[in-house]
Amino acid sequence: GQQVMQIPQYQHVQEGEDFTTYCNSSTTLSNIQWYKQRPGGHPVFLIQLVKSGEVKKQKRLTFQFGEAKKNSSLHITATQTTDVGTYFCAVNTDKLIFGTGTRLQVFP
Amino acid sequence: KAGVTQTPRYLIKTRGQQVTLSCSPISGHRSVSWYQQTPGQGLQFLFEYFSETQRNKGNFPGRFSGRQFSNSRSEMNVSTLELGDSALYLCASSLWWGGPYEQYFGPGTRLTVT
Repeated sequence: GQQVMQIPQYQHVQEGEDFTTYCNSSTTLSNIQWYKQRPGGHPVFLIQLVKSGEVKKQKRLTFQFGEAKKNSSLHITATQTTDVGTYFCAVNTDKLIFGTGTRLQVFP
Repeated sequence: KAGVTQTPRYLIKTRGQQVTLSCSPISGHRSVSWYQQTPGQGLQFLFEYFSETQRNKGNFPGRFSGRQFSNSRSEMNVSTLELGDSALYLCASSLWWGGPYEQYFGPGTRLTVT
C-alpha cells in the first residue's frame, strides 16, 4: 500500500533558525496535506497541495509539492516557540495516510 | 461552529474487556474517520464512515469495529482489549468521503489497557 516517509524524525533548533521537513513517496501522489500536532493536542490541518511544483505560503511557512509529485516539503523561516509540535504530511486518496512525522523542538 | 467532540477523553480498561468510544462530527460533515495514534506506529487509519456505511477500512483486526448513525455521529468499539490497544484514538470529520478533503480532528480519547 501507499507509504509516505518523513525526514528528519526529530529536529531541535534555536529560536530564529529555519526548519525544513521533507515528505517522500515511492509513488506519484495525487495530493498532499500537511498537519500540525501540538504536544498533547490533535492534528490540525495546515494546507493541501495538488499541482506539480505548487508552492504555497502561510506567513513564515512555505509548502512545496515536487515537480514529479513524489515529494513535498514544509519550511519554516525564523522559528518561534509557538512552532513546537509534530508536523505530518498526509496523502488523501480514498483514506488518509499519514507520514511518520517530524517533531520540532524550539529552544528560546 | 462547534468542533469535533469525542467522549470519553480518558479511559482505563483491563485486558479482555471491551470499550466503546464516541465521536460527534462538525455540523454538516457527513464523513467520520477513526485513527489510532501510538508512539511506535504513528497515526494509523482505522476506518471511515459516510451515510452510515463503512467506506474504507485500515489494516486492523476484526476486534475493531465501528458504526455511524443517521445524525453522522459515530462510535467505535474494541472488543477483547489487549495491552497493545493502549493508544490515543482520534476521530476526524470531513464534508464528504473518499477524496482530498480537509479533515477536522477531535481531541481524542486516551485509552489505557492494563
